[in-house]
Amino acid sequence: NAGVTQTPKFQVLKTGQSMTLQCAQDMNHNSMYWYRQDPGMGLRLIYYSASEGTTDKGEVPNGYNVSRLNKREFSLRLESAAPSQTSVYFCASSKSSGGGKETQYFGPGTRLLVL
Amino acid sequence: GESVGLHLPTLSVQEGDNSIINCAYSNSASDYFIWYKQESGKGPQFIIDIRSNMDKRQGQRVTVLLNKTVKHLSLQIAATQPGDSAVYFCAEIPKDSSYKLIFGSGTRLLVRP
Repeated sequence: NAGVTQTPKFQVLKTGQSMTLQCAQDMNHNSMYWYRQDPGMGLRLIYYSASEGTTDKGEVPNGYNVSRLNKREFSLRLESAAPSQTSVYFCASSKSSGGGKETQYFGPGTRLLVL
Repeated sequence: GESVGLHLPTLSVQEGDNSIINCAYSNSASDYFIWYKQESGKGPQFIIDIRSNMDKRQGQRVTVLLNKTVKHLSLQIAATQPGDSAVYFCAEIPKDSSYKLIFGSGTRLLVRP
């Protein structure tokens, strides 16, 4: 049981390049999330997926797109990377699919540098 | 706007002493609170949670206290160990949301040997 896994661990991009961050969970959780964490700050929600087939915007969605590929996988795409997107990206999952508030469990993060 | 903040950015304690990390939240409608521990290079790790119908909850060596009157949350760590050194975040979920986890900026806990 690996929990939440993310790939890649590190990535360097040039401005304008695109890339997809991958996330998978093996806990049979319904909800999945993407956050970004900037230095010295807490995490901010980019997008979330309450259940398979649904996605919704979080606090800072601009410049990102997501895909809930299946119940296990939730990907984050940067279509045209900008230096302001340099950050550490965390994926998380939780059991609930609506109504109940459950703890979110986090992956190890992807460190992205945009030059 | 909604926000969760921490009083002390860095807390240094002697090994074996108790640690208290504080957090103030501004959204009085929040009804679920979580403390996370984040070690360098890792994702946040769940420590303990508390719902707004409680004022205290205990775990293994940790206790969370919730004071809704003054919108204050604290994490107490008993007999602090070197392995407790990390950044600690409080987070809240507003009552009108099941998913919107709002994080504070974090407190770094340093444990002196």
